Parts: sequence; structure tokens; C-alpha cells
Amino acid sequence: DAGVIQSPRHEVTEMGQEVTLRCKPISGHDYLFWYRQTMMRGLELLIYFNNNVPIDDSGMPEDRFSAKMPNASFSTLKIQPSEPRDSAVYFCASSLSGGFYGYTFGSGTRLTVV
Amino acid sequence: DAKTTQPPSMDCAEGRAANLPCNHSTISGNEYVYWYRQIHSQGPQYIIHGLKNNETNEMASLIITEDRKSSTLILPHATLRDTAVYYCIVRGLPNSGYALNFGKGTSLLVTP
Repeated sequence: DAGVIQSPRHEVTEMGQEVTLRCKPISGHDYLFWYRQTMMRGLELLIYFNNNVPIDDSGMPEDRFSAKMPNASFSTLKIQPSEPRDSAVYFCASSLSGGFYGYTFGSGTRLTVV
Repeated sequence: DAKTTQPPSMDCAEGRAANLPCNHSTISGNEYVYWYRQIHSQGPQYIIHGLKNNETNEMASLIITEDRKSSTLILPHATLRDTAVYYCIVRGLPNSGYALNFGKGTSLLVTP
């Protein structure tokens, strides 16, 4: 398996633009997580899905952020409109049965909003 | 989940064992100790986890004290590629949530 695949690896956008981050989890994993990492706040969980259903989105910072998982092999995290404070590295992770044997993280998307 | 305390940084010579400590004095009976690491510019990587017995896998060994208030991650023969931030996370299963509290971790520098 190629692991968790995220795209793009880097994204530079102007303030106010819509940004869409993409994630392909490991086949067979039933949990998918979106994390954000900044120097100030470290790694934060934004939202997670179980069997394609959003379970907890309490970490989503505000209504500008939305996430979907239309099927078991694809998820998106959208920011509209983007702001400079959204600049961070966004990680997607997947796991089997809640992650007892660990989560597998993707390589991340580095987002810069100018 | 119980809070963990780790030293902010450590050094280790290449080829030597790296012993990374973690304190979790408020750990409760159903909470596991997990270790992850994050190599620069990569996503976190699961290393190992345990409840109360010592555990070993191809990456590392985990030693948990008998009172479970602290643990040590051991990389038996550290290489330059082991330079990373190591996170000790306590997680109660299955009733706790799925947010991993990574904290600040220990930045391990392996030197030639």
C-alpha cells in the first residue's frame, strides 16, 4: 500500500481564495482524521470520520472550514475564504478501528496564505 | 487522558542506544502509553504502544515501570535517520476520544 496520500504537497494562495486539500486513506481503514500543525499550537485535531461519517468536528476553527468524505477512499478539507492565519501544515491520517495499533499519517500539505 | 512530561531535547551518538523518558504520573488503569515520532517535514509516525508490560518491535522497545507512572522508549542502535521529535501520548481506550494530544515532545538529535 502506498500509505496515506495527500495533495497538493504545497499550496500558496492569496487571502480570500478557496483552498481544497485532498486525502486518500489507506484501503480498508475505517477512520480518517484531519490535523493541523503550527509552531504556536502544535498538532491539533480538526475533524474525524468513521465509515465516511463525520463524528467530531469540534476542532474545526470556524465556519470557513469544512470537510467531506464522499466515499471510503477520498476526503477533502476546504477553507473558504482563506486567511493568512490559516497558514500551517495540514495532515491527514487514517486508522483501523480507532487507532489502537496506531494512526498512519500522510506527508502533509503545507499551506501558505499571503 | 493523563498528561505527559518529556525533556525538550536530547542528544545521542550514532550507534548508541537512545533512551527517551516520559513521565505520566496520573495515568489510570485503562490508559495506554503510545509513542510517535515526527521526522522533519514528514507526518508523525507510530512507533509502539503498551499498557503495563514491556513491548518490543522492529523499531524500538518500550519499558513501562511497575507503577506505570513513567516509561522509556529505547532505540537500541540510533542512526542519523532517527533524528526527530518523539512524542509520548497517554490514551484511554476505548472510551476516550480520538484526538491524540501530541504535546511538545522530545527533540532527539543523533550525532555522527
